[in-house]
Amino acid sequence: DAMVIQNPRYQVTQFGKPVTLSCSQTLNHNVMYWYQQKSSQAPKLLFHYYDKDFNNEADTPDNFQSRRPNTSFCFLDIRSPGLGDAAMYLCATSRDMTGGGETQYFGPGTRLLVL
Amino acid sequence: AQSVTQLGSHVSVSEGALVLLRCNYSSSVPPYLFWYVQYPNQGLQLLLKYTSAATLVKGINGFEAEFKKSETSFHLTKPSAHMSDAAEYFCAAGGTSYGKLTFGQGTILTVHP
Repeated sequence: DAMVIQNPRYQVTQFGKPVTLSCSQTLNHNVMYWYQQKSSQAPKLLFHYYDKDFNNEADTPDNFQSRRPNTSFCFLDIRSPGLGDAAMYLCATSRDMTGGGETQYFGPGTRLLVL
Repeated sequence: AQSVTQLGSHVSVSEGALVLLRCNYSSSVPPYLFWYVQYPNQGLQLLLKYTSAATLVKGINGFEAEFKKSETSFHLTKPSAHMSDAAEYFCAAGGTSYGKLTFGQGTILTVHP
């Protein structure tokens, strides 16, 4: 089945130690998104890639970066994690993004714990 | 700016009872609307979406939602709740300048025997 895969499912890191979360997709979708979801909150969009074009949300901290080396893979890098960055990180994809009616397909998420 | 409001952060129903989860949107232009479900420690799964083809939208797992422009609402219903429906439900709107989704705050559905 075509799907969105996130690895690892659980990640523990130390305060200030860089961490990378991984997302891959077999849907061959053009758009990949990264969301941060804190406990009991809605997902918050951090950034997205439309093909190779990177689009950062205005309120995404500089501490968060992303890479998309090819269509299938996208990485979320947190350069210096703080305690406030502990959250579920969700990757999503969509075929396109014109008009807003495109369905986003979500991966299972990576839960990040910062010690 | 577009916004989505889900009335009731927690809804509790008995197994077999009607499920009604409320969602209102704020937009000058009828948006695309989505309902997603999230089980504990899982990603979001699409239940259904409205794209203006029909006001009553049927989704997976027996859920449906009705778009009412006059009420700017897109409430989610299921005639008979099952224990497996216990999860968090998010209403979302798309359709502004690009494919960005605006999420509501979520409603946790509890189903008790």
